[in-house]
Amino acid sequence: DTAVSQTPKYLVTQMGNDKSIKCEQNLGHDTMYWYKQDSKKFLKIMFSYNNKELIINETVPNRFSPKSPDKAHLNLHINSLELGDSAVYFCASSQGGGNYEQYFGPGTRLTVT
Amino acid sequence: GENVEQHPSTLSVQEGDSAVIKCTYSDSASNYFPWYKQELGKRPQLIIDIRSNVGEKKDQRIAVTLNKTAKHFSLHITETQPEDSAVYFCLDVAYKYIFGTGTRLKVLA
Repeated sequence: DTAVSQTPKYLVTQMGNDKSIKCEQNLGHDTMYWYKQDSKKFLKIMFSYNNKELIINETVPNRFSPKSPDKAHLNLHINSLELGDSAVYFCASSQGGGNYEQYFGPGTRLTVT
Repeated sequence: GENVEQHPSTLSVQEGDSAVIKCTYSDSASNYFPWYKQELGKRPQLIIDIRSNVGEKKDQRIAVTLNKTAKHFSLHITETQPEDSAVYFCLDVAYKYIFGTGTRLKVLA
C-alpha cells in the first residue's frame, strides 16, 4: 500500500505547454504540501493545504496553481511551462495538529525542453 | 527573514567514523527539529526528530542535539556504514517549513 503517491513519475514536455501532477495520500492526514527540488538538491516549499484550505502559499509564479478537491488529494497545475520549471516536484502529507512529520511521495521529475 | 543554515555541504568519512551535521535557525518560534535522509533518486524520509523541550534524543547510531540558546541543532551519526551515504536535510518548522541546504555524506569503505 503506497502511503503518498504521485503521477506521473516522469514528465517531459515543451516550453509553453500546460501540465498537471496529481497526488494522493491514504494516511488520513489533514495537511498536504508541494515541494520543489532543484538540480542542486535544494528543497523548497511551494504550497500547503490543511483540510482543503490553502495555508502556505510561497512566492511562486502564479502559473502554478494547486487544487485540493478533498483532503486526500492535492494536485498541481502548471501553465506556460518554462525551462526553469525543470525540477523534481514532491508531494508530502502530515497528520497536522502539532504532528509535523512529512511523508513524501516518490517525486515527479519534470523536464521542460 | 527566516532561514536555516546547514553545514557542511559535503562530508566524507571513513567507514566506522562519526559524522556531525549542524543546522542554525533564526526563528525563535521554532519548536520542532527533524532530520531527513534522501538516498539517490529516492524521496526524503524522516530519520530522527526532537522537540524544543528536550536537549538530546538518540536512536541506535543516530542522535540529535538541540541548543535553543544558540539556535542550532545537530545530527550525529556514529559507526558510519556505506548505507549511510545520502543527502541529509534539517527542517525548521515555525510558521513555514524551511529545509536546510543539505549535506551530502559519503562514507568510504
